[in-house]
Amino acid sequence: KAGVTQTPRYLIKTRGQQVTLSCSPISGHRSVSWYQQTPGQGLQFLFEYFSETQRNKGNFPGRFSGRQFSNSRSEMNVSTLELGDSALYLCASSSGPGQPQHFGDGTRLSIL
Amino acid sequence: GQQLNQSPQSMFIQEGEDVSMNCTSSSIFNTWLWYKQDPGEGPVLLIALYKAGELTSNGRLTAQFGITRKDSFLNISASIPSDVGIYFCAGHDTGFQKLVFGTGTRLLVSP
Repeated sequence: KAGVTQTPRYLIKTRGQQVTLSCSPISGHRSVSWYQQTPGQGLQFLFEYFSETQRNKGNFPGRFSGRQFSNSRSEMNVSTLELGDSALYLCASSSGPGQPQHFGDGTRLSIL
Repeated sequence: GQQLNQSPQSMFIQEGEDVSMNCTSSSIFNTWLWYKQDPGEGPVLLIALYKAGELTSNGRLTAQFGITRKDSFLNISASIPSDVGIYFCAGHDTGFQKLVFGTGTRLLVSP
């Protein structure tokens, strides 16, 4: 059974640009969550989608947004990138809210 | 917001030793999960706990969901070099609104 797939694995951008990250969940999983991981802040929850609806959102500015498609695949977008957005962005999928989440290997985003 | 206090922050042990780490919270959680993360990879689910008092094993790993629903521990027996990594606890809040993560325990194992 294929795991959670995130693309791209690595990305380098400059300040002010925008970026879109993609996540394909485990087949049959309808819930997708996004996290930001940095050495200083650890794993911080960004948002969760279930059946194409945003179910919950973390404490991040409006520059961070996401969506989920009918096939459960999800994308997150960060606009007007800042140096502090450099992080590992992790996607996790589960069969539904409250169920154990399974993670992809993340997208390493570096802002120059 | 809710926070999980995970300890110890790091451990350096000899191969063959047993290891114990724990997580505590000021609020109640509905589930407790333990993950391991290797460098350059995403966290991998080790054990999931669903009921207060539940004790679950996965090979050399054993974890328990505290009776008060505010804590959990993970034990690793007879550690081996491939146990090296960062271990995270995580819990679902009472509304299953989100998964809250601990700060991680970095484990180093000397052969």
